[in-house]
Amino acid sequence: DAGVTQSPTHLIKTRGQHVTLRCSPISGHKSVSWYQQVLGQGPQFIFQYYEKEERGRGNFPDRFSARQFPNYSSELNVNALLLGDSALYLCASSSSQGISGYTFGSGTRLTVV
Amino acid sequence: SQQGEEDPQALSIQEGENATMNCSYKTSINNLQWYRQNSGRGLVHLILIRSNEREKHSGRLRVTLDTSKKSSSLLITASRAADTASYFCATVAGAGSARQLTFGSGTQLTVLP
Repeated sequence: DAGVTQSPTHLIKTRGQHVTLRCSPISGHKSVSWYQQVLGQGPQFIFQYYEKEERGRGNFPDRFSARQFPNYSSELNVNALLLGDSALYLCASSSSQGISGYTFGSGTRLTVV
Repeated sequence: SQQGEEDPQALSIQEGENATMNCSYKTSINNLQWYRQNSGRGLVHLILIRSNEREKHSGRLRVTLDTSKKSSSLLITASRAADTASYFCATVAGAGSARQLTFGSGTQLTVLP
């Protein structure tokens, strides 16, 4: 079975641009979460979706948005990119909203120049 | 914001030795999870301990949880060079809260051959 897949793996964008990151959860997992990990720090929670509804939102500006599709895949969108948005963006899926642990994808490395 | 802190921030040991990492957190929890991350890529779920459990084992891993002290420890026995990675603890908050992971700042473990 495929694990959590994220695309693209690497991305370079210019300040002010928009970016869309994609995530496909493990088959059967209905919960998808997004995390931002800045170099040298632990991941920070951005969003959680379960059954296509937003179930949690972290302390991130409105430039960050996400959605979950009927097949439970998800997109994370970031508008008006800032240099500080450069980070590893991780997607995690779970069958039980985290009660039994999460499976993470390999991440998308976003560099804003 | 980070839930808590891992201690030490960095640990260097010889192959075959045991490695102990500690984690402190601030709020009541449903469970606490430990993850490993190699070279800034995706996180791998290692073990989950629930708030009503005090100790859990998985292979060479032993996790303890002290909810009165809001702390946990991860012991890796008979370490190998392949255990070199960053280790993060992450909490899932208690009842009524969203089920996102709140990570600590991580311990960088280096196992020397």
